[in-house]
Amino acid sequence: DAGVIQSPRHEVTEMGQEVTLRCKPISGHNSLFWYRQTMMRGLELLIYFNNNVPIDDSGMPEDRFSAKMPNASFSTLKIQPSEPRDSAVYFCASSFSGGRTDTQYFGPGTRLTVL
Amino acid sequence: DAKTTQPNSMESNEEEPVHLPCNHSTISGTDYIHWYRQLPSQGPEYVIHGLTSNVNNRMASLAIAEDRKSSTLILHRATLRDAAVYYCILRLGAGGTSYGKLTFGQGTILTVHP
Repeated sequence: DAGVIQSPRHEVTEMGQEVTLRCKPISGHNSLFWYRQTMMRGLELLIYFNNNVPIDDSGMPEDRFSAKMPNASFSTLKIQPSEPRDSAVYFCASSFSGGRTDTQYFGPGTRLTVL
Repeated sequence: DAKTTQPNSMESNEEEPVHLPCNHSTISGTDYIHWYRQLPSQGPEYVIHGLTSNVNNRMASLAIAEDRKSSTLILHRATLRDAAVYYCILRLGAGGTSYGKLTFGQGTILTVHP
């Protein structure tokens, strides 16, 4: 089992550029979560999907952020245009919702730096 | 979501037991107590969870107070690899409409001395 896969692991971009973060959840999982972690705000839930449908996007900070899950094995988080305050580590996690534990498994994260 | 309160930091020596406390006085009857930890430069990982009874697994033990308003994560013999941020999280039971949503607080930074 490869676990949750995120790409890229590191991204450095300039303000105003579009950034796309990618996530491949664990096969068989039906829930997917995007988190953002900064020193100031800690670990924040941005959005989560169940069976590829967005359930709660109340954590998405602005309209510049969007997330999609076109199928059960792939999700993207897009920032357009990016700003320096978007610099953070972005984590994707997946789980099997409906089981006894709903344990979330996290990917290694994408460290985003916006200059 | 019901809130949890944890100490900002704790220290331990290697091979000694560690007791990490968590207060959750507003816990509801359907809230499970989950613990995750985050090792340096990694994503969080699941440690253990429970509802009412004490729980043991290969990583740790979870002791839950009888009134469920507090709990303690127990690492029986701390190793250097256990140095991490430990998060105590309340979560609605499996199923329902929460889909396993987790709300992370600031957690407890555990330092393990050799």
